Amino acid sequence: DTAVSQTPKYLVTQMGNDKSIKCEQNLGHDTMYWYKQDSKKFLKIMFSYNNKELIINETVPNRFSPKSPDKAHLNLHINSLELGDSAVYFCASSQGPSQGGNTIYFGEGSWLTVV
Amino acid sequence: DQQVKQNSPSLSVQEGRISILNCDYTNSMFDYFLWYKKYPAEGPTFLISISSIKDKNEDGRFTVFLNKSAKHLSLHIVPSQPGDSAVYFCAASVYNFNKFYFGSGTKLNVKP
Repeated sequence: DTAVSQTPKYLVTQMGNDKSIKCEQNLGHDTMYWYKQDSKKFLKIMFSYNNKELIINETVPNRFSPKSPDKAHLNLHINSLELGDSAVYFCASSQGPSQGGNTIYFGEGSWLTVV
Repeated sequence: DQQVKQNSPSLSVQEGRISILNCDYTNSMFDYFLWYKKYPAEGPTFLISISSIKDKNEDGRFTVFLNKSAKHLSLHIVPSQPGDSAVYFCAASVYNFNKFYFGSGTKLNVKP
């Protein structure tokens, strides 16, 4: 049983297209995230949702829109893809802020290549 | 502006020896620190954590040391095994606040 699962794992698409990455967690966690690992290998937070509510929104272009239909799911939709969007996108989850001492659990990553 | 830094991109160690991975942070508000291990084409997996009320936490072959005055933490792996070869990320957060900052990783190669 995969705790945090995301699909697709690999995605190659052309510039200008719109694509979505889906994420689901079965850990019962309240908080979910999207992280981006760029070419320099840094893991940078993009968004965080707690119980379907957006709590962290880093300086990400508004072409990126997260959607959380329920606390077990956090999808990422990207409009008008650009070459610079090529990266690995990781979904993650953790217990809610009130739990303290959180551990964040990651999915396997989605490798996005924009050509 | 990287608040968590891993200045060694790679480290090579002989099997059976100690591996020491280092991490520095700049934000004095951080009070909870984690280490993650990542194999190629997989997501990072949690390894060990430490809160700022401690200066050491041990779990089997893995020990994390925290030096708050130096804003430095390190992960010791003893003895190192070839299966430990992976990229190791350190992360930091403020307790009770769900925002984790990650370093750029150190690639550990344990030679048989």
